[in-house]
Parts: sequence; C-alpha cells; structure tokens
Amino acid sequence: NAGVTQTPKFQVLKTGQSMTLQCAQDMNHEYMSWYRQDPGMGLRLIHYSVGAGITDQGEVPNGYNVSRSTTEDFPLRLLSAAPSQTSVYFCASSYSAGQETQYFGPGTRLLVL
Amino acid sequence: QKEVEQDPGPLSVPEGAIVSLNCTYSNSAFQYFMWYRQYSRKGPELLMYTYSSGNKEDGRFTAQVDKSSKYISLFIRDSQPSDSATYLCAMSASIVDFGNEKLTFGTGTRLTIIP
Repeated sequence: NAGVTQTPKFQVLKTGQSMTLQCAQDMNHEYMSWYRQDPGMGLRLIHYSVGAGITDQGEVPNGYNVSRSTTEDFPLRLLSAAPSQTSVYFCASSYSAGQETQYFGPGTRLLVL
Repeated sequence: QKEVEQDPGPLSVPEGAIVSLNCTYSNSAFQYFMWYRQYSRKGPELLMYTYSSGNKEDGRFTAQVDKSSKYISLFIRDSQPSDSATYLCAMSASIVDFGNEKLTFGTGTRLTIIP
C-alpha cells in the first residue's frame, strides 16, 4: 500500500492564482481530511469528508474548497491564493470517525508570494 | 492564551538519556490525549493515545496525564538518534468525531538525540 499520497510536494504561487492540492489514499478509508500546519499555531482542520459525496467544514475553511467524488481522492482547491495561505498542508485518512486513527500524508509546502 | 501550550524547544539530549516532553492545557473538559511524532518533511504519526488520567506504557514510551494540573507528559527511555523528531500533543473533550468535536494540537517540541 502506498498509504496517503500528496502532490505536489512543493508549490510557489502568486497572489490571486488558483491551484488544486491532490490527495489520494489506497486503504479504502471512508474518512479523509485536510489540515494546515503553521509555525506557532499547531495543526488546524480545514475540511473533512465522511465518505464519497459528503464534505464539511473544519476550523479554518475560508478560502478553500473540497469535493469527494471517489473514496480514494480528496482534492483541496485554493480559489484565489493569498499570502496568509502560505503553509504546509497535510491530508489524512482514517477508517473510523475517530480522528486518533488518522494516517497523514507527507504534506505539500505552499508558498504564496 | 492558547488552549494547549507546548514548549517548542529545540531540546537536545545525549543518546540513552530519558526524555521528558510536556504540554499544558486550559480546557478542563479535555479527557482524550494523544502524542504524535513528526519526522522532518513528513506527516505526523500517532504514538500514544490515552483517556483521562494515569499512565500508559508502550515499549520505551510512557504517556502520563495529570488532569488536576492540566498537564500531560511523554517520556522516552533509552533515547535513540532515530527518536529525533518533532513531538506534537493533541487533545479533545470527547471521542474525537469529525462532526462533533475537534482535535486541538500543540505546536510541537523539536527533539534531537545526540549520538
């Protein structure tokens, strides 16, 4: 199993550009989520999904969109990038609703200029 | 004041030493506590998961919760260079269900074990 994979590993954007961060898992997990990790802030939940076709907002959803058309994939879209979205983004998946069972991907480092 | 406080370090100790990593918290409702290990340029991985007060041991790792002091600790015995990583604490007031309860993370302590 590849586990949770994320692409790209690193991306530089200009303010106002849009992009999609890709996340895929091959463990047939129902639950998937996106976090951002910022210095001095800890991990914060952006959006999550409890199954294909079902998504909901986390703690910091503004500026991000998600969709879940398949069990395997959970892309995160930045509609109009802002410098405040410079962060490391982690995707995670889990086999239960308990967040303690999550497997995290390796992360995408995003720099918005 | 943040709900969860964690000394960012860095903390450097010689190989074989006992390491103590700590978090304090302000929300007395927290009763589920986790420790994650995060290697450089990698995602976090769950190390320990405890409920309420007391100790839990897993190999060289011991998690300790003192709810009266709102203080949790992770001890690493016989530390190895492979333990060099950032350690994150996380906690929640109830069984962490995405829809009902959020997991609150500390900012992490960077640990280096010197051979």
